[in-house]
Amino acid sequence: AQSVTQLDSQVPVFEEAPVELRCNYSSSVSVYLFWYVQYPNQGLQLLLKYLSGSTLVKGINGFEAEFNKSQTSFHLRKPSVHISDTAEYFCAVSEGANTPLVFGKGTRLSVIA
Amino acid sequence: DTGVSQDPRHKITKRGQNVTFRCDPISEHNRLYWYRQTLGQGPEFLTYFQNEAQLEKSRLLSDRFSAERPKGSFSTLEIQRTEQGDSAMYLCASSLVRGGYTFGSGTRLTVV
Repeated sequence: AQSVTQLDSQVPVFEEAPVELRCNYSSSVSVYLFWYVQYPNQGLQLLLKYLSGSTLVKGINGFEAEFNKSQTSFHLRKPSVHISDTAEYFCAVSEGANTPLVFGKGTRLSVIA
Repeated sequence: DTGVSQDPRHKITKRGQNVTFRCDPISEHNRLYWYRQTLGQGPEFLTYFQNEAQLEKSRLLSDRFSAERPKGSFSTLEIQRTEQGDSAMYLCASSLVRGGYTFGSGTRLTVV
């Protein structure tokens, strides 16, 4: 069975500082990996996805993530955060590009002015 | 493209009542998914459809839950005899078979 572990439930960071949100997964088959962002009382918005190819994936809003198969990780990074990045971030895994997703518990990113 | 639409946005109901939620996917998307998200947790998969066929149901989907997608367009999720533990955000998403998910804004259910 697939599972996702987001190692930090909360990450506070000062504005314009870099940030890394950690995600580890377990799966017995090839995986597709996703990062979503959720603002209060809203649905989820796709930040980026890894389906195949280059292990460094660039997404929206200046975010990027690197797929590391040997460490079964897919950490999300941004070199300089803004106040508007304050939100909940979810890592997810699936066996296919559109099979059901398994989500982690989320990481709350709080950007401090 | 108007996105995935969910109705209602909020629902407060008394324990024991039945509730029904509606999801209108992006029109050309043939896959539709339902997830449930409780406070402080990530979304959990409930069920999904390809066109009108229900392809998979999670063990979370008890006998009190039923989902339909009668014409392969909109979908409904019904919860019978609601319990306080059903209080959650119910999220709908749609996709093409080889595309990516688009989520709706969700229906927040509060059972009192």
